[in-house]
Amino acid sequence: QKEVEQDPGPLSVPEGAIVSLNCTYSNSAFQYFMWYRQYSRKGPELLMYTYSSGNKEDGRFTAQVDKSSKYISLFIRDSQPSDSATYLCAMRKAGGTSYGKLTFGQGTILTVHP
Amino acid sequence: KAGVTQTPRYLIKTRGQQVTLSCSPISGHRSVSWYQQTPGQGLQFLFEYFSETQRNKGNFPGRFSGRQFSNSRSEMNVSTLELGDSALYLCASSPSVGTANYEQYFGPGTRLTVT
Repeated sequence: QKEVEQDPGPLSVPEGAIVSLNCTYSNSAFQYFMWYRQYSRKGPELLMYTYSSGNKEDGRFTAQVDKSSKYISLFIRDSQPSDSATYLCAMRKAGGTSYGKLTFGQGTILTVHP
Repeated sequence: KAGVTQTPRYLIKTRGQQVTLSCSPISGHRSVSWYQQTPGQGLQFLFEYFSETQRNKGNFPGRFSGRQFSNSRSEMNVSTLELGDSALYLCASSPSVGTANYEQYFGPGTRLTVT
């Protein structure tokens, strides 16, 4: 069983829809949580970075972390065709030698159609 | 500020050969991590370097190695290439100063094809 599970989709939504992307994890040592967006043939782009339970908002994006349930979410409001990409959740343990090691979900392929 | 750069962007090698990939981090970033991305396994951590020292290593065979130079630039090497090494190799840099600055910024990757 993978440490981080993410539904690969694909997910197809109409423009303007609210998109919900989710990951679950099994290791309670994960303390830092990230969402990346990856366009085809590009490297992942950091969207959100959180280290506590609760919500963090940035423009049309909201990241939600529930450590008690080991569940994280990314919400995209007013989705646009330009949001069409693969969305990857990633997480990291605290301290020690874990600084530079991210564990990723499989990624969810999102298509927003006009 | 320039982003993470990786060279070359594309590479074709044959089985048994070795390859060296290069990564230049964002100016001021001292940590460089390498990842392998394949359709089947997704993004997997290879290793991380900080101040020229390997600080963490993933579950890859010894054929995969790396190093970091005093200017924080990093290289990774894969020896005795196998078909299964075909992948997108991604480099990420981080300021790695303090407990909060562990945001990792990725380069465009090097796409390696082994024939």
